[in-house]
Amino acid sequence: TQLLEQSPQFLSIQEGENLTVYCNSSSVFSSLQWYRQEPGEGPVLLVTVVTGGEVKKLKRLTFQFGDARKDSSLHITAAQPGDTGLYLCAGSPNTGGFKTIFGAGTRLFVKA
Amino acid sequence: DTGVSQNPRHKITKRGQNVTFRCDPISEHNRLYWYRQTLGQGPEFLTYFQNEAQLEKSRLLSDRFSAERPKGSFSTLEIQRTEQGDSAMYLCASSPVRGPNSPLHFGNGTRLTVT
Repeated sequence: TQLLEQSPQFLSIQEGENLTVYCNSSSVFSSLQWYRQEPGEGPVLLVTVVTGGEVKKLKRLTFQFGDARKDSSLHITAAQPGDTGLYLCAGSPNTGGFKTIFGAGTRLFVKA
Repeated sequence: DTGVSQNPRHKITKRGQNVTFRCDPISEHNRLYWYRQTLGQGPEFLTYFQNEAQLEKSRLLSDRFSAERPKGSFSTLEIQRTEQGDSAMYLCASSPVRGPNSPLHFGNGTRLTVT
């Protein structure tokens, strides 16, 4: 089965700290996406990474796609309380079709 | 772009009853997805459509679950003979047809509670 494993499952940090969350798989993905979800709402896309080794920046968020396209990371610099939420990685397994599967997520809590 | 709309937002039902949820995708999006999410977990894939064709259905989906998208626009998800284990958030998402990298646009879900 092609699963996406995310770590850590839960992270509680102080405002201003840096953090990295990880998304790993034993399978190759044509692309990986990162979403952020707040309570009572659906996930919202943050970024899509497509090319192995690709790095994308979105303000204080830096996303990296592994060279082998099996893993990705999200680094947040100087976290703020507004970054609190569930961070999900997602991808379409490289087996054809357009099914998108999700990891279990990293729940981030940033304390003021 | 009015976004993906799901109705109802909340549904409480007794075990054994049937329920139906509706999803209205973004109008120009050809693909429509259904997911189930329980507390502390990521969305679990249930099924997806391209236009009116149901292209894939999760093996985890029992025969009590059925989804339709009769005219390639809105979709319905029906659960027959509900069980307490069906309690979850049911999310719908749509995406344009642009290959496997197309982003999903989610609605805010229907929260089902089976008592």
